[in-house]
Amino acid sequence: EAGVAQSPRYKIIEKRQSVAFWCNPISGHATLYWYQQILGQGPKLLIQFQNNGVVDDSQLPKDRFSAERLKGVDSTLKIQPAKLEDSAVYLCASSLGQLAGSYNEQFFGPGTRLTVL
Amino acid sequence: GQQVMQIPQYQHVQEGEDFTTYCNSSTTLSNIQWYKQRPGGHPVFLIQLVKSGEVKKQKRLTFQFGEAKKNSSLHITATQTTDVGTYFCAGRGYQKVTFGTGTKLQVIP
Repeated sequence: EAGVAQSPRYKIIEKRQSVAFWCNPISGHATLYWYQQILGQGPKLLIQFQNNGVVDDSQLPKDRFSAERLKGVDSTLKIQPAKLEDSAVYLCASSLGQLAGSYNEQFFGPGTRLTVL
Repeated sequence: GQQVMQIPQYQHVQEGEDFTTYCNSSTTLSNIQWYKQRPGGHPVFLIQLVKSGEVKKQKRLTFQFGEAKKNSSLHITATQTTDVGTYFCAGRGYQKVTFGTGTKLQVIP
């Protein structure tokens, strides 16, 4: 079974530039998550999709971050414009479902390491 | 909002010693998951606990979920160098998942 794919693996940009990340979840997984992990910290949930609908985006800085999941499969996360504090690893994860109490192991992709100069 | 804290932040142990990390949520959880992240890697799922007071074992790892479903622990018996990494709990409230702050384990051979 193929895992969660992410691209690019690394990205270096200057502040105020734009950047986009792509994620392809495991086939059949309804739930997709985007996390931001700053060095030395735990993953912080940015947005959670159930199919192509947003379940939770309470921690997404909506003035600069946007995400979409067209057709309920692939997803893109965009930052525009980037700030120095956006330097982090952006992790995509997917799971079969997200209902409370159900088995919803998250499978993570390798992440995209973003450096903002 | 929901907050999940873990202690200790770091732990250095001699190989063969035991290790425990504790996870505490500010709100009652529907379930809790544990993940391990090796240096430079991504989080890998270990286990999920759902029931109040639940205890699960995986070889040398023992996981517990508190009676009030607000705390959890992971205990490793007789650590090995392969146990090195950061252990995260992830608490799930209603539709929302919050990762803990993590405990970084170093094992000295």
